[in-house]
Amino acid sequence: EIVLTQSPATLSLSPGERATLSCRASQSFSGYLTWYQQKPGQAPRLLIFDASNRALGIPARFSGSGSGTDFTLTISSLQPEDFAVYYCQQRSNWLYTFGQGTKLEIK
Amino acid sequence: EVRLVDSGGGLVQPGGSLRLSCAGSGFSFSGYWMSWVRQSPGKGLEWVANINQDGSEKYYVDSVKGRFTISRDNAQNSLYLQMNSLRADDTAVYYCARDQVALIDYYYYGMDVWGQGTTVTVSS
Repeated sequence: EIVLTQSPATLSLSPGERATLSCRASQSFSGYLTWYQQKPGQAPRLLIFDASNRALGIPARFSGSGSGTDFTLTISSLQPEDFAVYYCQQRSNWLYTFGQGTKLEIK
Repeated sequence: EVRLVDSGGGLVQPGGSLRLSCAGSGFSFSGYWMSWVRQSPGKGLEWVANINQDGSEKYYVDSVKGRFTISRDNAQNSLYLQMNSLRADDTAVYYCARDQVALIDYYYYGMDVWGQGTTVTVSS
């Protein structure tokens, strides 16, 4: 089983700042890395698929990168609505795992 | 409007059973893989199971194997999760989600549509 470890657990930043969230896999995999955003009381929302592709309707300030074991979600200039919890998820064969999440909070 | 509506949650005693349902609308339900994902109170997301378009392939997280069964009825545009031998650590909000998987090369676009979630509480 591939374990995903996200860091930091909590990130405190101000609107307008740049956010960099990390997701590290326990082993290199050739599958797919996806990012989701979740706000309190809501279902997750798809942001990035296959490590670096924005989903439909996702603003350009969100970008993803990485391969192998190290992946990054970057938000170039934080907007008030971006403060939420972010999860990475991998698909290896047909089994999925999520990271434990990074909470992005307002400083 | 593309939509998934989860239902069937509730309070159940340890060892009991529950069947969750997910109704899809606004898209060709039979053309998609589908997943169940759960979230324990105050915790992160955990993938539970998925199923392919015709129900011939099913996969589960180890912690539910032998206890949970995922199924679908494409004629009814519905996804199900039969949960047996429930334990306290199965307590969670359960979401169904549409898996975007390309038909030809299985390219994975992620879970792009989610239900609102249904709450399962396992307690005596």
